[in-house]
Amino acid sequence: DTAVSQTPKYLVTQMGNDKSIKCEQNLGHDTMYWYKQDSKKFLKIMFSYNNKELIINETVPNRFSPKSPDKAHLNLHINSLELGDSAVYFCASSQPYRTHTEAFFGQGTRLTVV
Amino acid sequence: AQTVTQSQPEMSVQEAETVTLSCTYDTSESDYYLFWYKQPPSRQMILVIRQEAYKQQNATENRFSVNFQKAAKSFSLKISDSQLGDAAMYFCAAGGTSYGKLTFGQGTILTVHP
Repeated sequence: DTAVSQTPKYLVTQMGNDKSIKCEQNLGHDTMYWYKQDSKKFLKIMFSYNNKELIINETVPNRFSPKSPDKAHLNLHINSLELGDSAVYFCASSQPYRTHTEAFFGQGTRLTVV
Repeated sequence: AQTVTQSQPEMSVQEAETVTLSCTYDTSESDYYLFWYKQPPSRQMILVIRQEAYKQQNATENRFSVNFQKAAKSFSLKISDSQLGDAAMYFCAAGGTSYGKLTFGQGTILTVHP
């Protein structure tokens, strides 16, 4: 009964391929996020969805497209993968309104583009 | 807009001793929250402690406590009675109440020597 789970944990793929990472949370939170952690361990937000609606898009290339079929799921699809996309991608959820919870993170997906 | 700065790329401590990790931040939001997250080699992001900016009292969680200086925009983490399991990368983060997105510092690698 993991709070935030993302799959896969590891993803190795060739340049130019398209791949998806899935995320699910069972915490009942309204808001979900995608963060990217680069090779220097720096974490930066990419997207945020609140109740299936995109509310934050932090100048991420159009090749990245998040999709939220319902408020418990937030998937990340990446087209035409490039070497520079290699990173760890974290899904997270929180309840920033009303209760102001902290963010709960998934275990991360290490994406390696070769 | 928010910025978070951790000026100590690496710190080390002897087991059972005390260590303090530094963090400064800047934010344009009047209501915000501050967090320390721990990332062990497993890469899971684990919440260590949180501080509501409107509270003057410093947060404490067992061996972990913060020194929150709002006027100075400083938010340091003190780890008492350090244990080998405390070895990890520690991230300071700031979050607003509007969308809940977190802005992270660069991280501090903590080594605990037996």
